[in-house]
Amino acid sequence: QVQLQESGPGLVKPSQTLSLTCTVSGGSISIGGYYWSWIRQHPGKGLEWIGDIYFSGGTYYNPSLKSRVSLSVDTSKNQFSLKLSSVTAADTAVYYCARDRRPAANANWFDPWGQGTLVTVSS
Amino acid sequence: SYELTQPPSVSVSPGQTASITCSGDKLGNKYTSWFQQKAGQSPVVVIYQDTNRPSGIPDRFSASNSGNTATLTISGTQAMDEADYHCQAWDSSTYVVFGGGTKLTVL
Repeated sequence: QVQLQESGPGLVKPSQTLSLTCTVSGGSISIGGYYWSWIRQHPGKGLEWIGDIYFSGGTYYNPSLKSRVSLSVDTSKNQFSLKLSSVTAADTAVYYCARDRRPAANANWFDPWGQGTLVTVSS
Repeated sequence: SYELTQPPSVSVSPGQTASITCSGDKLGNKYTSWFQQKAGQSPVVVIYQDTNRPSGIPDRFSASNSGNTATLTISGTQAMDEADYHCQAWDSSTYVVFGGGTKLTVL
């Protein structure tokens, strides 16, 4: 079955850019009907969606983060990536990648999820 | 922006029925999903498109969505069901929205 695995630095300095990659195994990232997502969870808090990307490059971003977020996809490596610029301590969180099943314009759910990676923003 | 509201915590005795609500403006007009997140683990979908259970999810998990409220119901709650539960919906302007999460305690 499809599995996702996040990778990237666990520590980022304030004002720098956070960069994470999600590697998809057990299935192709280029399959239709799915978007590929980034979601984060601040310590002890709820889930916050960051954005989605389709294999062809189409994106949706959380309006509250849109000015700092960039998503990309590399179909040859079966990977997709997140860049979050100008980070502060408020960006410290566990970052998850997930597959976003999108059967209709107004319906979606996330399955499966990666194991998550903690990113700490600190000098 | 669109918001979903969940109670921070719900308690239930083993074997009893737990109900977790998720409220949002005209939420019944949107599809809702529910995710279970056990301590130290990634979320897992337990309900999608309002009422559908993925394979492998026990049938004691069910849900409804009408008006301004979606409800996740766990019948015959077991100790293994103790977890955080998150609702989620798609909004045309905000796109993906999550509720704040509800901690279910099985006493």
